[in-house]
Amino acid sequence: GENVEQHPSTLSVQEGDSAVIKCTYSDSASNYFPWYKQELGKGPQLIIDIRSNVGEKKDQRIAVTLNKTAKHFSLHITETQPEDSAVYFCAAKAAGNMLTFGGGTRLMVKP
Amino acid sequence: GAVVSQHPSWVICKSGTSVKIECRSLDFQATTMFWYRQFPKQSLMLMATSNEGSKATYEQGVEKDKFLINHASLTLSTLTVTSAHPEDSSFYICSALGRIGEKLFFGSGTQLSVL
Repeated sequence: GENVEQHPSTLSVQEGDSAVIKCTYSDSASNYFPWYKQELGKGPQLIIDIRSNVGEKKDQRIAVTLNKTAKHFSLHITETQPEDSAVYFCAAKAAGNMLTFGGGTRLMVKP
Repeated sequence: GAVVSQHPSWVICKSGTSVKIECRSLDFQATTMFWYRQFPKQSLMLMATSNEGSKATYEQGVEKDKFLINHASLTLSTLTVTSAHPEDSSFYICSALGRIGEKLFFGSGTQLSVL
């Protein structure tokens, strides 16, 4: 089955700096890669996703890049703000509708 | 994005009682819903896949008689924790596949505390 590794597990940045979270996946058949943001006591919220036929996607301050050959994808957050502080999860989907999640990254943005 | 409503957001119950958690897709029909369990500072652990009109598919190690799942309509799935015990205390989250069938949207979660 699919295996998704996520790094780092914790990330602390200064407000205004950029944050990068990286994930690798094992199943070359995976074709859909969403990113979720989870605030304390709440369910995960879909923030951006990318399909395997696209190398990069951007939405305001967040962007995701995908390298199919290396089987890794990354989340980039620019001009970080304190409200970006949360736990971020990457995921990958291969056959069927099952998503496999990474272990999560706790992002702390210091004001 | 699509809206998934989950209730209650938190519940405290006595050991031995049963607790029902509801998950509704508010603006779309969800043929497939998923139930997850999450421990503090950990990732999401898939418990079961719920398909409308059929029996749920449980992940290995999840007791189907303890965690009863019903997906009677295209907009509602329920998880009942039967005879709850303190070790069942956890954050339970449902999710539903959106219209296109690819994007997964989550409910707000239910914090269960069993005394």
